[in-house]
Amino acid sequence: DSGVTQTPKHLITATGQRVTLRCSPRSGDLSVYWYQQSLDQGLQFLIQYYNGEERAKGNILERFSAQQFPDLHSELNLSSLELGDSALYFCASSPSGGTGLASNEQFFGPGTRLTVL
Amino acid sequence: AQKITQTQPGMFVQEKEAVTLDCTYDTSDQSYGLFWYKQPSSGEMIFLIYQGSYDEQNATEGRYSLNFQKARKSANLVISASQLGDSAMYFCAMREGSNNAGNMLTFGGGTRLMVKP
Repeated sequence: DSGVTQTPKHLITATGQRVTLRCSPRSGDLSVYWYQQSLDQGLQFLIQYYNGEERAKGNILERFSAQQFPDLHSELNLSSLELGDSALYFCASSPSGGTGLASNEQFFGPGTRLTVL
Repeated sequence: AQKITQTQPGMFVQEKEAVTLDCTYDTSDQSYGLFWYKQPSSGEMIFLIYQGSYDEQNATEGRYSLNFQKARKSANLVISASQLGDSAMYFCAMREGSNNAGNMLTFGGGTRLMVKP
């Protein structure tokens, strides 16, 4: 158990709908990362928040947005869903969000499997 | 260009034997970190081992060791005494240290390892 929790574990929805994925980082971790794992694109970085502020953006679609709340949990909002959005969405956390040479191991949650029908 | 390349989509190994999973990377940064993660069929991402670009010794964690050849830009994972439970997808990932916008991980395409009894 990494200490990172994600809800829900599975989500099945229809095209055009909007969903919210939730992540609680490990106690004390300030950074939250969202990754998408799909058959087409593999594992790719979406977005990072550090202590409530957006820190870095990857290949995140405009239909997707995220935020990190004062209690450090994060939500990833996916709207106008398409079939191609079906994927495993991971949240990861790490203690820091800076550029130091520390290992900055990222602890991954169990993922939310999204199926868009 | 791919930043992380794993050239072996699938590999078999006999139980109790050692196996090497290949990973090459591409970066112009002097400071970076290399990670290996294991993803069993249940889907979670399990951190295995980390190597920093300035680390002179190859990293080791139990049965896992990282064969780091900086000049060749390779970071191969060696699993000794394979066990049936080692059957999983293995991902190599890199964090580039000069990324002042954050420290997200870039993943390779993965290698599926199957351990034969």
